[in-house]
Amino acid sequence: AQKVTQAQTEISVVEKEDVTLDCVYETRDTTYYLFWYKQPPSGELVFLIRRNSFDEQNEISGRYSWNFQKSTSSFNFTITASQVVDSAVYFCALSEEGTSGSRLTFGEGTQLTVNP
Amino acid sequence: NAGVTQTPKFRVLKTGQSMTLLCAQDMNHEYMYWYRQDPGMGLRLIHYSVGEGTTAKGEVPDGYNVSRLKKQNFLLGLESAAPSQTSVYFCASKGQGHNEQFFGPGTRLTVL
Repeated sequence: AQKVTQAQTEISVVEKEDVTLDCVYETRDTTYYLFWYKQPPSGELVFLIRRNSFDEQNEISGRYSWNFQKSTSSFNFTITASQVVDSAVYFCALSEEGTSGSRLTFGEGTQLTVNP
Repeated sequence: NAGVTQTPKFRVLKTGQSMTLLCAQDMNHEYMYWYRQDPGMGLRLIHYSVGEGTTAKGEVPDGYNVSRLKKQNFLLGLESAAPSQTSVYFCASKGQGHNEQFFGPGTRLTVL
């Protein structure tokens, strides 16, 4: 069975600090997909990134970067030079290739607070 | 292009009452999902549908029913609401393959 663990329940940083959100997953499939979503205080869920298990290249998008390591089953998310607008709950999610309906399993989320 | 919409945005029920939450998407997506979000528990899948006329159980289906009579709509029903069903409910949809799901704005339901 697939499982996603986000061990950090809450993180608080001061603006301009770098912060890394951890995500560890468990799966028996060799083909799977990993996602990160952001949920700002307004409540909607915003898609950030999708990665498949065959693509271990790290990705950078502006201040955001993702480090995918199959050897440690981790897909960590780093925000560089954090800003107050980055305050949100961040969810990591996993979808296995063979899962009916391409269902997502979500982690419990990490509440990030960026203080001015 | 409205994306995924949910009706209503807020609702308060008394124990034992019934209600239906409506999800609509205008992206011609095959797959639709209903989740509930509770503090400290992330999002948990209630039911999902892989196409018009089909439904399947997710992780926490008890106490809920769903219907997908039209491709663009996915209804979530509570036949006899219980306080344990107090939650924020999210609908999502996606196209074929393992692409990202698009989420609605959520419905905050309180059962007294």
